[in-house]
Amino acid sequence: EAQVTQNPRYLITVTGKKLTVTCSQNMNHEYMSWYRQDPGLGLRQIYYSMNVEVTDKGDVPEGYKVSRKEKRNFPLILESPSPNQTSLYFCASSLNIYQPQHFGDGTRLSIL
Amino acid sequence: SQQGEEDPQALSIQEGENATMNCSYKTSINNLQWYRQNSGRGLVHLILIRSNEREKHSGRLRVTLDTSKKSSSLLITASRAADTASYFCATVQVNQGGKLIFGQGTELSVKP
Repeated sequence: EAQVTQNPRYLITVTGKKLTVTCSQNMNHEYMSWYRQDPGLGLRQIYYSMNVEVTDKGDVPEGYKVSRKEKRNFPLILESPSPNQTSLYFCASSLNIYQPQHFGDGTRLSIL
Repeated sequence: SQQGEEDPQALSIQEGENATMNCSYKTSINNLQWYRQNSGRGLVHLILIRSNEREKHSGRLRVTLDTSKKSSSLLITASRAADTASYFCATVQVNQGGKLIFGQGTELSVKP
């Protein structure tokens, strides 16, 4: 089944404790992206990757890192999480930027 | 402010009625996409309209695009309670690399 898989689905952690949210897709998609969703602000793009080893900043990249060492995986790294990064995070992938995105089920992060 | 501003922010209708949602954007686009999100879940792609298209249909969905006004509308005809969800437009901007800009969404409630 074609899908984008994010883990974990839920995480409560404390300020400053490094965490990684994994994202994997099985559709051989070139384009992958991370979004955060906050009430009243819609979805905002954090980082995106057009292809392996190519990543670029979205609209809200501060406090986040990503890597794209292989096509299927695009982890989101919070080196030193802070409470303002408490949010619902989505990973998505598509054949390319012009094609519709396939979204994961989301990761709800709470940073205390 | 973010591109892809949508209105209304919330819409409540009775089953069988039509629902219309609007999306405005600021810069030139390659295409505009509409997505649906059930509460707390990942977004699901509904329909994509290219910048050289004016109207597109898919089942009970009708999307229009007016590039001169930088706006799009999504019409859901003969709505059902199962259409209750949030609806987002997203624009792929020309000459902006891989950025995908989402609107803040319209929350649709269809009452049986």
